[in-house]
Amino acid sequence: DAKTTQPTSMDCAEGRAANLPCNHSTISGNEYVYWYRQIHSQGPQYIIHGLKNNETNEMASLIITEDRKSSTLILPHATLRDTAVYYCIVRVGGSGSARQLTFGSGTQLTVLP
Amino acid sequence: GAVVSQHPSWVICKSGTSVKIECRSLDFQATTMFWYRQFPKKSLMLMATSNEGSKATYEQGVEKDKFLINHASLTLSTLTVTSAHPEDSSFYICSASGNEETQYFGPGTRLLVL
Repeated sequence: DAKTTQPTSMDCAEGRAANLPCNHSTISGNEYVYWYRQIHSQGPQYIIHGLKNNETNEMASLIITEDRKSSTLILPHATLRDTAVYYCIVRVGGSGSARQLTFGSGTQLTVLP
Repeated sequence: GAVVSQHPSWVICKSGTSVKIECRSLDFQATTMFWYRQFPKKSLMLMATSNEGSKATYEQGVEKDKFLINHASLTLSTLTVTSAHPEDSSFYICSASGNEETQYFGPGTRLLVL
């Protein structure tokens, strides 16, 4: 699975949009981009995933560049509860069977009041 | 989203005893379950992958005789830490995946071995 690069930490003001970048320049055509977050002392929480089209759900939006070498997770109106470590993970998909997730260091997002 | 539970949420045990952790998918059938371990200030590390009715596949460096995994049904997997030692103290997290390939994680089990 392709390696990802994320900033170590970011701050965001409460109520503002949080934009978390992720580089995955070696991504292959059959690899999806997944985003999870882990609030302190809890299990990771699935946020969103995509292949090449932009995706949106009730939690966030995922913007994938046309060349698929990078993506941005957008939390439209960050709250204090969004403070967590955010993981961008690239993984082969479409095979019909689950594959492991390889977690990097992620981005510590701190939402400030 | 799909719900995965773990029990217990935390456990303290004496060195040399065995501890069993349960992982359940509550609203879907999990054909594959994963077990991860996370040490303080570190990221999650995969320990093993288990498919229902099959033997688990362990990652390099993870002792299969020490970390026994059973995935006897489509909604339950168990991890037993045998003869636990203080260095096994960690945060153990399971995840489950059904027909779609997204993994959903349990809340984790914190193990402290004295």
